[in-house]
Amino acid sequence: DTGVSQDPRHKITKRGQNVTFRCDPISEHNRLYWYRQTLGQGPEFLTYFQNEAQLEKSRLLSDRFSAERPKGSFSTLEIQRTEQGDSAMYLCASSLGSGGHQETQYFGPGTRLLVL
Amino acid sequence: AQTVTQSQPEMSVQEAETVTLSCTYDTSESDYYLFWYKQPPSRQMILVIRQEAYKQQNATENRFSVNFQKAAKSFSLKISDSQLGDAAMYFCAYRSVKSSGDKLTFGTGTRLAVRP
Repeated sequence: DTGVSQDPRHKITKRGQNVTFRCDPISEHNRLYWYRQTLGQGPEFLTYFQNEAQLEKSRLLSDRFSAERPKGSFSTLEIQRTEQGDSAMYLCASSLGSGGHQETQYFGPGTRLLVL
Repeated sequence: AQTVTQSQPEMSVQEAETVTLSCTYDTSESDYYLFWYKQPPSRQMILVIRQEAYKQQNATENRFSVNFQKAAKSFSLKISDSQLGDAAMYFCAYRSVKSSGDKLTFGTGTRLAVRP
């Protein structure tokens, strides 16, 4: 078990460009979450998948953001027409969702995005 | 909506001493989970300790323990015998039992420095 991985770890882009991030969860985990963390703040929830179904999206997720988890394994988060305000750390987490009380979200190392 | 407040942006502790990090939250729910996560510099977030609201007994994990005061909506973290490796950002987080997806709501964090 290698834990949650994210790629790339760092991304610098120019305003207006599109970027895509990838998250590979822990292999048996059926739930996958995306959070955004700006400097000096705690992570904020963006969206959540159970298997391949996107079940919840935050109001923070504007129309320029789209997330997919096509086969219920890895997930991608795409930001179109990036803006400087999109600069943040994008965190992915996964958990084994069974409705029980022992679920823990395991976080990846994050992708740090800088929009110039 | 639930909110989590961490009123101490920064704390400092002498190695081997004890420090307490504060967290308060606001919710109208009676059943929920509370967490403390640790985020070391440039490293991924890891779970430190978890508390189920229906449990009266305070959770303990080795040198880490919590003081959970449900009526006061307070959830502080005590770190005993502080070590240099404890230096990190600490985030308090809330998770509803009722809502789907188990998304976490985080506070703004407390940066803990450990003096040798």
